[in-house]
Amino acid sequence: SYVLTQSPSVSVAPGQTARITCGGTNIGGKSVHWYQQRPGQAPVLVIYYDTDRPSGIPERFSGSNSGNTATLTIRRVEAGDEADYYCQIWDTSNDHWVFGGGTKLTVL
Amino acid sequence: EVQLVESGGGLVKPGGSLRLSCAASEFTFSNYSMIWVRQAPGKGLQWVSSISTTSSYIYYTDSVKGRFTISRDNAKNSLYLQMNRLRSDDTAVYYCARPRTGLDDGFDLWGQGTMVTVSS
Repeated sequence: SYVLTQSPSVSVAPGQTARITCGGTNIGGKSVHWYQQRPGQAPVLVIYYDTDRPSGIPERFSGSNSGNTATLTIRRVEAGDEADYYCQIWDTSNDHWVFGGGTKLTVL
Repeated sequence: EVQLVESGGGLVKPGGSLRLSCAASEFTFSNYSMIWVRQAPGKGLQWVSSISTTSSYIYYTDSVKGRFTISRDNAKNSLYLQMNRLRSDDTAVYYCARPRTGLDDGFDLWGQGTMVTVSS
């Protein structure tokens, strides 16, 4: 089954840029979605189909996907961005959804 | 308000059963595939099961296959998860979720979750 690999944690100072990566074999050939989950809350979709932002998500959030790595980029990081972030793909080989293990973003 | 509301969680002994429900409001429920996702305490998200609009296509993660059954009632705008032969590693918050549009789309609507605890 397909595996998505995320670094457990990323730390960044306010105002800087955070990059959260999601690794998988030829993930560039798949569509990647990203979620933000604050403590005690349900996940929120922040990027879908690699690069698209749902309405209400700030332009500071962007995504890219190529080769074996997909990346969620958060520019001008704010304290409110501190959360867990998960990548997700639809595995067409078995019609299963797959989530990455999650990355905890800490704003210093 | 467009929303999903789960119910039915609780404390159950190993080997027991529980039925979760997810009530949908203010959108055309029958037009969407629906999903169950769970999250064990302190752990990441895990997809559990998916069901297509007319229940023609149903999928399960391997660890629940043969024990859990997903179903829906479009007339009642409701999604269900029947969980049998529960184990301690089924302990988690269970969320229902809705894909934006297509089968492989991101989930843009989530419920608040319902906690299932399997313990003797």
